[in-house]
Amino acid sequence: GESVGLHLPTLSVQEGDNSIINCAYSNSASDYFIWYKQESGKGPQFIIDIRSNMDKRQGQRVTVLLNKTVKHLSLQIAATQPGDSAVYFCAENIRGSARQLTFGSGTQLTVLP
Amino acid sequence: GAVVSQHPSRVICKSGTSVKIECRSLDFQATTMFWYRQFPKQSLMLMATSNEGSKATYEQGVEKDKFLINHASLTLSTLTVTSAHPEDSSFYICSARMAGGIGETQYFGPGTRLLVL
Repeated sequence: GESVGLHLPTLSVQEGDNSIINCAYSNSASDYFIWYKQESGKGPQFIIDIRSNMDKRQGQRVTVLLNKTVKHLSLQIAATQPGDSAVYFCAENIRGSARQLTFGSGTQLTVLP
Repeated sequence: GAVVSQHPSRVICKSGTSVKIECRSLDFQATTMFWYRQFPKQSLMLMATSNEGSKATYEQGVEKDKFLINHASLTLSTLTVTSAHPEDSSFYICSARMAGGIGETQYFGPGTRLLVL
């Protein structure tokens, strides 16, 4: 059922600044990670992915960093724009789990003018 | 590429009726589709995994007789919420994984907002 009063972690940044969104995962067997962006009332949109044999991957204005030692994933957005305001989810695939994704709780990014 | 559509985008129904939601992969074939449910301010909760031509695999706590899933072709999966009740009101999102793809990337539909009165 619905949890009343549950609030997403939030991050507010000034337009033009860089944003860093963090995600912790707990399963050392996870071998594939994805960052999704979800705007209000829409489905998640793929941003970038990374496999566990890598520690960094870059896309257009975005970089994903993976630290397997501490089971930490981050998404860096360069020169954040108003259109980047959304909820960002990390998702992990656990090796051998029928290729299902497990989603994190999400972070609400708000870009201030 | 990798576009997934859902229909309807929004539906309001009376308690006790059934509602069917369609999920289509428009420009690729999907051997596997997934159905999620999302409450406001919360993350996505996987309901079931749907494989083309076989029975869906439901997550623990999801009633398979209430949430009927059919994956009749490589581009279409349907979710039917039977005898809907107000507590079934939620945002339902499907995703599809590309057939023959080497990764686990899932491409999501735009979601269906269900309101049961």
